[in-house]
Amino acid sequence: EDQVTQSPEALRLQEGESSSLNCSYTVSGLRGLFWYRQDPGKGPEFLFTLYSAGEEKEKERLKATLTKKESFLHITAPKPEDSATYLCAVDSGNTPLVFGKGTRLSVIA
Amino acid sequence: NAGVTQTPKFQVLKTGQSMTLQCAQDMNHNSMYWYRQDPGMGLRLIYYSASEGTTDKGEVPNGYNVSRLNKREFSLRLESAAPSQTSVYFCASSLLTGGLTLGANTEAFFGQGTRLTVV
Repeated sequence: EDQVTQSPEALRLQEGESSSLNCSYTVSGLRGLFWYRQDPGKGPEFLFTLYSAGEEKEKERLKATLTKKESFLHITAPKPEDSATYLCAVDSGNTPLVFGKGTRLSVIA
Repeated sequence: NAGVTQTPKFQVLKTGQSMTLQCAQDMNHNSMYWYRQDPGMGLRLIYYSASEGTTDKGEVPNGYNVSRLNKREFSLRLESAAPSQTSVYFCASSLLTGGLTLGANTEAFFGQGTRLTVV
């Protein structure tokens, strides 16, 4: 059974304090790993897809990386507008995406 | 671009009432999904439709039915609502379900959600 575990559950940062969110996964064969951002009262918003170990993707202050067992979402010099819940999901082939429970990020000015 | 549109946005039902949640996408995607999101539980798959004409159960299908009306529309029906079905429901779509090869365009795009309360 595919499993996705995200840590920490919640993270509180000062503005400008860089950090990383973790997504550990157990799948039979990874076809893709996805990161989403979800704001309160909104649907998840697609950020990145990673396909193979060693791959990296960047968008503004966010950088996602992938190894054979986990993915990291690095947040560099975060701003209050980066506050959101970040979700990780995996595609193991022939089934819909399986999501982790998310990391709730708060960035304090 | 509308993307994925869900209706209604909010709904309050009494126990035992029925209702249908509507979802439509305008991205010409083949696959559509219904998830529910509860505090501490994350997103859980209720039903999905990998392509027009097919539907399959997800992780938590009990108490729900679905209809893939056409390529654009995928509805979720609660026949007899229960308080345990109080949740936020999200519809999503993707070009494909389950990547047979790398780069298979399986990222899902979500609607804004329906907040359902069953009293």
